[in-house]
Amino acid sequence: DAGVIQSPRHEVTEMGQEVTLRCKPISGHDYLFWYRQTMMRGLELLIYFNNNVPIDDSGMPEDRFSAKMPNASFSTLKIQPSEPRDSAVYFCASSRDRGSTGELFFGEGSRLTVL
Amino acid sequence: DAKTTQPNSMESNEEEPVHLPCNHSTISGTDYIHWYRQLPSQGPEYVIHGLTSNVNNRMASLTIAEDRKSSTLILHRATLRDAAVYYCILIPRYKDSGAGSYQLTFGKGTKLSVIP
Repeated sequence: DAGVIQSPRHEVTEMGQEVTLRCKPISGHDYLFWYRQTMMRGLELLIYFNNNVPIDDSGMPEDRFSAKMPNASFSTLKIQPSEPRDSAVYFCASSRDRGSTGELFFGEGSRLTVL
Repeated sequence: DAKTTQPNSMESNEEEPVHLPCNHSTISGTDYIHWYRQLPSQGPEYVIHGLTSNVNNRMASLTIAEDRKSSTLILHRATLRDAAVYYCILIPRYKDSGAGSYQLTFGKGTKLSVIP
């Protein structure tokens, strides 16, 4: 299996632009997680899905952020409009369960820079 | 939510054992203790997890205090490849109904440096 695949690996954009990050989870994994990593706050959970349904989005910073999972093999995290403080590395992870007994598999991340 | 406390950084000599501590004094009876590590420029990867008993796998060992308020990740012989940030996190074991929520925030972890 190729693992969790994220794109783009790097994105540089200007403030106010729309940003879309993409994730393909491991086949057969029912849970998908979006994380954001910054120096100040470490690795934070933004939202997670179970069977394509958003379960908990309490970590999403504000309405500018939205996430979708139209099918079992694809998810997007969108920021509109983007701001410099959104600059971070965004990780997608998937697992067979909620992670309590199993493991999370992370992608290599998408590094976002908003100028 | 139960939280964990880890040292910001640790150093180890190559080929020596490393003991990475984690305090979790507010752990609940159904929280699993998980360890992940993150190599430079990569996503976190699973290392090991346990509930009450000590655990061993090919990567490391996990020792859990009898009162479960602390745990230690043991790397038996540190290599340069083990230089990473190590995260200790608690994951509650709710019924997997899909309802409810839990926070799976990793925080800042312990940065392990391995000296050749």
